[in-house]
Amino acid sequence: EADIYQTPRYLVIGTGKKITLECSQTMGHDKMYWYQQDPGMELHLIHYSYGVNSTEKGDLSSESTVSRIRTEHFPLTLESARPSHTSQYLCASSEYSFGSMNTEAFFGQGTRLTVV
Amino acid sequence: GNSVTQMEGPVTLSEEAFLTINCTYTATGYPSLFWYVQYPGEGLQLLLKATKADDKGSNKGFEATYRKETTSFHLEKGSVQVSDSAVYFCALRRGGSYIPTFGRGTSLIVHP
Repeated sequence: EADIYQTPRYLVIGTGKKITLECSQTMGHDKMYWYQQDPGMELHLIHYSYGVNSTEKGDLSSESTVSRIRTEHFPLTLESARPSHTSQYLCASSEYSFGSMNTEAFFGQGTRLTVV
Repeated sequence: GNSVTQMEGPVTLSEEAFLTINCTYTATGYPSLFWYVQYPGEGLQLLLKATKADDKGSNKGFEATYRKETTSFHLEKGSVQVSDSAVYFCALRRGGSYIPTFGRGTSLIVHP
């Protein structure tokens, strides 16, 4: 069972509010990711991190920002939420070492965000 | 670049039917290949994986064989159950890159 947690599971919030989606993992993984999942279920990488103090933007442009101050924690922040931000957000982490057999990503349960 | 192509869904089957979900990939070298499953309202869970050519991954009655010659990793199950209804994602991770590449997902609906 994966040890990666996202909170909250569901969030309904008004336009213009600042929100932070939390993601924590206890596996000591260096690599962490945020995906946005559209209604058609496709996953879009919006942010990733190599490790502490390292963050990069993903393939899909996003108005959100992330930080990685601690290995286990990778929060995503929206400064001013809009209805277009309504989506499912999935956090994941993975271990990487050359030649490792443990190559899969582990996912949290997701946060379903609705901006009204 | 790396890419994964899955058959479009939804795939609708009756209980105990045979399942195949096709997945082909484009990548250099020898990527690791995965199938993930997402049940309604949940995140993705690893279903099975294969890390080299001709490996067969299996779990919960599902199987997939890493076919280098056809660059494929098709998911099969001999007899599906209603509880298998979910979205299935094929994915790869190329050696030297830690970012997984996912297909678009295939929805499976199993009727009693």
